[in-house]
Amino acid sequence: DMKVTQMPRYLIKRMGENVLLECGQDMSHETMYWYRQDPGLGLQLIYISYDVDSNSEGDIPKGYRVSRKKREHFSLILDSAKTNQTSVYFCASSWDRGTEVFFGKGTRLTVV
Amino acid sequence: GQQVKQSSPSLTVQEGGISILNCDYENDMFDYFAWYKKYPDNSPTLLISVRSNVDKREDGRLTVFLNKSGKHFSLHITASQPEDTAVYLCAAGNYGNEKITFGAGTKLTIKP
Repeated sequence: DMKVTQMPRYLIKRMGENVLLECGQDMSHETMYWYRQDPGLGLQLIYISYDVDSNSEGDIPKGYRVSRKKREHFSLILDSAKTNQTSVYFCASSWDRGTEVFFGKGTRLTVV
Repeated sequence: GQQVKQSSPSLTVQEGGISILNCDYENDMFDYFAWYKKYPDNSPTLLISVRSNVDKREDGRLTVFLNKSGKHFSLHITASQPEDTAVYLCAAGNYGNEKITFGAGTKLTIKP
C-alpha cells in the first residue's frame, strides 16, 4: 500500500514553542519534500531532501529546519514557532525529481 | 518569480459543460507537466501527466494539451460533474533534475 503518513494531523502550539512534524513513506522514494499551503499562495516548497542527510532549501526555508536520518522518514522542525507559521503543512515524496509526487494528508498547525 | 502560474484563481462551469484550466510556465527545461486535484481538507492527488514528447494526452473525460513554444499547458474536463468541484493545481518539472513546481491553484466549481 503506497502512502505518505504525516503526524499529527492537527496541532496547536504557543508562540516560541518548538514544533516537530513527522513524515514517513513506504515507497522507498529517494526524494521527499515539505510544503506549506496558504490561501492564494498554493504549495510553497520549504525543503527538499534527495536522500539521507542530503537536504536542500526550497523557496521559503527561513524559520524551518529538517532532518532525514532514514530514507523513509523526513521531519520538519520549527525552533521557536511564530504566529505567521500557522498553516497547513504537507509532506510528500517521489522516486526522483520531476516525477509524480505523492502527498501526505497534511498537518494543520496553529501557532497562538 | 513564479515559475508556474495559474492566472485564474477560480472558475465556474455549468454541469455538463467543458471546464478548461490553464497553466503557464517559464523554464524551458521543464519536460514533465501534470495536473493535481485537491479536495478541501485533503491532500493533492495526481490526475494526469504528460512528458514533453507529446502535445496531447487523453484519459477518459480529461485531456491535457501542451504547447511548448508558448510555454503553456491546459486541462480540459468534458461533461463536467459536481464531483469535479475541487482545486486544481498544475505542476511542472524536469525529470531527474528539476523538482516539481506547483501553480497556486484554480478553484473549479461545477454548478448543477
